[in-house]
Amino acid sequence: EVQLVESGGGLVQPGGSLRLSCAASGFTFSNYEMNWVRQAPGKGLEWVSYISGSGSTIHYADSVKGRFTISRDNAKNSLYLQMNSLRAEDTAVYYCARVAVWNHFEYWGQGTLVTVSS
Amino acid sequence: DIQMTQSPSSLSASVGDRVTITCRASQTISNYLNWYQQKPGKAPKLLIYAASSLQSGVPSRFSGSGSGTDFTLTISSLQPEDFATYYCQQSYSTPPWTFGQGTKVEVK
Repeated sequence: EVQLVESGGGLVQPGGSLRLSCAASGFTFSNYEMNWVRQAPGKGLEWVSYISGSGSTIHYADSVKGRFTISRDNAKNSLYLQMNSLRAEDTAVYYCARVAVWNHFEYWGQGTLVTVSS
Repeated sequence: DIQMTQSPSSLSASVGDRVTITCRASQTISNYLNWYQQKPGKAPKLLIYAASSLQSGVPSRFSGSGSGTDFTLTISSLQPEDFATYYCQQSYSTPPWTFGQGTKVEVK
């Protein structure tokens, strides 16, 4: 059974940093592209970042470029999102999602809440 | 970046109704269009991918159509468990893979 479990969310002050993790199981992690998607309270879904299976290709939304870094450790079946210079508008539930053949997001984690507030 | 516009933003319907949600892309995306359902406090769930392919385990009352820039999600007979928010997403070419703003389906 495919499972994606996010962790690392919490309360952080503006300008602070946080590292999110996504633990994957039930599939060969290195074979799949992965993404982070976020959802601010009461708002819609926003794609955040993409990483290829090998980690060699990475993309970011303009709203996080230069502040967030996506990475993966295929030996540990884990995906990461390092978030620096956090702003109030980064407050959201962050989901990791596995990409399938039509670039659709076939599996999602349960999400982890990040709150940026003083 | 490709912009996705969903309509309506919300609708009220009754059990048994036929419901249609539309999604328009700002440029052609072939059939790289996906639909997700989200219930409060839960992660999104994939319903339809490649515009019209039903994800395994999703009831056949859900269907998708369209190509190019205009797409439709149809629920043929709304069930109580279908009251939720629906999002389209384009996954054409390379990221960013943008979502529509969502359509909330509420009880009439």
